[in-house]
Amino acid sequence: QLQLQESGPGLAKPSETLSLTCTVSGGSISSGSFYWGWIRQSPGNGLEWIGSIYKSGKTYYNPSLKSRVTISVDTSKNQFSLNLSSVTAADTAVYYCARREDGYVHFDDWGQGTLVTVSS
Amino acid sequence: QSALTQPASVSGSPGQSITISCTGTTSDVGSYNLVSWYQQHPGKAPKVMIYEVNKRPSGVSNRFSGSKSGNTASLTISGLQTEDEAEYFCCSYAGSSTMPYVFGTGTKVTVL
Repeated sequence: QLQLQESGPGLAKPSETLSLTCTVSGGSISSGSFYWGWIRQSPGNGLEWIGSIYKSGKTYYNPSLKSRVTISVDTSKNQFSLNLSSVTAADTAVYYCARREDGYVHFDDWGQGTLVTVSS
Repeated sequence: QSALTQPASVSGSPGQSITISCTGTTSDVGSYNLVSWYQQHPGKAPKVMIYEVNKRPSGVSNRFSGSKSGNTASLTISGLQTEDEAEYFCCSYAGSSTMPYVFGTGTKVTVL
């Protein structure tokens, strides 16, 4: 059974870069045709898609976050990562990693989420 | 792109049926049969219950069903059970040119 697990610091300082990793177990990032993505949930903005990456490294980003987001994949570690730069309090949220199968638009597997607070 | 509108809360007694609405616009729900519904228990990962408006993934109870009319999608839970108490949110595809996904505001389902 596929499992996704987010990890990373729970606290980030304003203007710094938020970095999270999603470790995939029970399946390989390299197999099949899947997009691996990040979604966040905050009290102010609800759920928001951040971006996705394909195993080839092709990325797709939320236009409103594109200038600050980088998503990368490390197939050797079966992980993909999120970097969000120049964070502010508005970036405080629970961050989820999730999987979407090519040809579909729903997310069929999610991690449990990790809370990241932006505060000095 | 604005969030899809859901009622904040819906409640029902065991065995009853409830319906959760998800209202969007002609740019998302109204244009695509690509609405999905997710169930989330506190502290747990969201789980897809319905995709493409009315399709159930393998393993999801047939007590869960989805439909759509115009700009509003709906999730119906029949034969309500205590384990159905959770947060539910919808998501619609909104086209690939700008923001492909728009999510609902979420609905807390309480089993009385």
